[in-house]
Amino acid sequence: GENVEQHPSTLSVQEGDSAVIKCTYSDSASNYFPWYKQELGKRPQLIIDIRSNVGEKKDQRIAVTLNKTAKHFSLHITETQPEDSAVYFCAAGRAQKLVFGQGTRLTINP
Amino acid sequence: DVKVTQSSRYLVKRTGEKVFLECVQDMDHENMFWYRQDPGLGLRLIYFSYDVKMKEKGDIPEGYSVSREKKERFSLILESASTNQTSMYLCASSYGRSSYEQYFGPGTRLTVT
Repeated sequence: GENVEQHPSTLSVQEGDSAVIKCTYSDSASNYFPWYKQELGKRPQLIIDIRSNVGEKKDQRIAVTLNKTAKHFSLHITETQPEDSAVYFCAAGRAQKLVFGQGTRLTINP
Repeated sequence: DVKVTQSSRYLVKRTGEKVFLECVQDMDHENMFWYRQDPGLGLRLIYFSYDVKMKEKGDIPEGYSVSREKKERFSLILESASTNQTSMYLCASSYGRSSYEQYFGPGTRLTVT
């Protein structure tokens, strides 16, 4: 089955700097790669996703890149702000079934 | 606006008890999921359901069962609760077909003593 590895487990950056979180997956048949953000005490919410027929997708300060050959994908957050502090989860899967990474706790320092 | 609700935010049960966790979604979603969330392990899929009365095992189904008698409701059952089932349990739903976004409930923090 699918296996997703996420790094780093914790990340601390200065406000205004960029943050990058990386994930690798094992199943070459996976075709859907979402990223979820979970603020403290709240439910995970989708922030961006990408499908296997696209190499990059951007939404304002957030971008995701996908390298199918190497089986890895990354989340890029630019111009970080205090409200970006949260736990971020990547996931990979086919259709409805997703396998999640272990999560990255991102802290934005003022 | 999609709404996924779970019956309890916090639950404390004793070892050996039968535990029911309920999840309800109001958007006519076809798919429903149960995950458990543990620090350092991310979200792990316990069971999911593509349709009423249909269920499939996820990655960690041992010690759990599920029931989906109505489209909007998906129940997770711990037949005989054990201390290693102490965790945060998250329910999610998704529309199905070409829309894969999963909408999560607020979670139930279960403590088994």
